Amino acid sequence: QKEVEQDPGPLSVPEGAIVSLNCTYSNSAFQYFMWYRQYSRKGPELLMYTYSSGNKEDGRFTAQVDKSSKYISLFIRDSQPSDSATYLCAMISSYKLIFGSGTRLLVRP
Amino acid sequence: GAVVSQHPSRVICKSGTSVKIECRSLDFQATTMFWYRQFPKKSLMLMATSNEGSKATYEQGVEKDKFLINHASLTLSTLTVTSAHPEDSSFYICSARDPGLAGARETQYFGPGTRLLVL
Repeated sequence: QKEVEQDPGPLSVPEGAIVSLNCTYSNSAFQYFMWYRQYSRKGPELLMYTYSSGNKEDGRFTAQVDKSSKYISLFIRDSQPSDSATYLCAMISSYKLIFGSGTRLLVRP
Repeated sequence: GAVVSQHPSRVICKSGTSVKIECRSLDFQATTMFWYRQFPKKSLMLMATSNEGSKATYEQGVEKDKFLINHASLTLSTLTVTSAHPEDSSFYICSARDPGLAGARETQYFGPGTRLLVL
């Protein structure tokens, strides 16, 4: 079993839709959770960072962490074509980032 | 967010030559940097952890004599792909660890990546 599981997609939605991206993890010692966005042929860009259970909101993005279920989510409201990218969840373990496989998102105009 | 640069962004070389990729943290001191490799439509694969002033720590299966890492200063780490072969063609990305100040978060900031093509 991988430490971090993420559905690779692709996920295709119409413009304006609410997008839900999810990851599950197996190591209960993980404390820091991140979401990165990666456009094609670019490095990952840090989107959201959380370290406790609950919700964190930043503009159209909401990160949610449920440590009891070992489940994290990223919600994108009013999705735009410019949101089309690969979204990677990541967790820190001994200074290293453990990534999910990434979910490819396509927002159709 | 913090800025990490990589140079070059793209390189094409002949088989058998060596290629050096630079990673710089531009607005904070990074005692630890990481080197990743990414194949098309795949997630990032950690190759090694680069520590300033000491030897790099390589992940299992990564040849340290093939991928030479030097972290000579708090803002610069280099990855040299020695005697490159076509199978080394890939997207190489570095990141710099920002430990944050007391009470603040630790995270990693990524460079824009270097696309290597070995002919």
